[in-house]
Amino acid sequence: NAGVTQTPKFQVLKTGQSMTLQCAQDMNHEYMSWYRQDPGMGLRLIHYSVGAGITDQGEVPNGYNVSRSTTEDFPLRLLSAAPSQTSVYFCASKLTGGANTGELFFGEGSRLTVL
Amino acid sequence: GDSVTQMEGPVTLSEEAFLTINCTYTATGYPSLFWYVQYPGEGLQLLLKATKADDKGSNKGFEATYRKETTSFHLEKGSVQVSDSAVYFCALSGLTGTASKLTFGTGTRLQVTL
Repeated sequence: NAGVTQTPKFQVLKTGQSMTLQCAQDMNHEYMSWYRQDPGMGLRLIHYSVGAGITDQGEVPNGYNVSRSTTEDFPLRLLSAAPSQTSVYFCASKLTGGANTGELFFGEGSRLTVL
Repeated sequence: GDSVTQMEGPVTLSEEAFLTINCTYTATGYPSLFWYVQYPGEGLQLLLKATKADDKGSNKGFEATYRKETTSFHLEKGSVQVSDSAVYFCALSGLTGTASKLTFGTGTRLQVTL
């Protein structure tokens, strides 16, 4: 009963370092997305994917890359971390098509600090 | 573009008090509306939803009615418990199918005390 799994839960980086946040779901959801959560800003969409091999930008994509080689996995890459990327990151997925109820299923979050 | 406006928090209530968290939205067409809840240290989870005007979503004693005339989706609960302490997010989905993306409000923190 895993749902959406994110790793790592906590990470501290220095400015300029790179890292990848991992996200995996076992619900066969076509749609996957990454949000960042900042105080007073709510959740903002970074990137999303509607299926393997398809990705698109959200509201705040700069500084982040994504890929979707399988239905299950949707990693988020920071190529050169900046202090402005200090945030809590959430991966979320949902069904699409006729079974789409609009409900997003969220991971537990990854707290990233960039020094 | 689509947007969601929520009342600012934090909201502090005593146990068994009545709760209202206001939410208004701007969207073209007929969006679906949602309330998500985030308990400490966890991800968001769906609390309730409504997909058309005058629909009432309900779950765990919480209710919200989709009011198209006032573009609102206020969250209410008649008697809150300490376990309801969390951050509540109002959200909308302006399109259907694969293109639908959720737009979230900034969240309202609720603290319930004994």
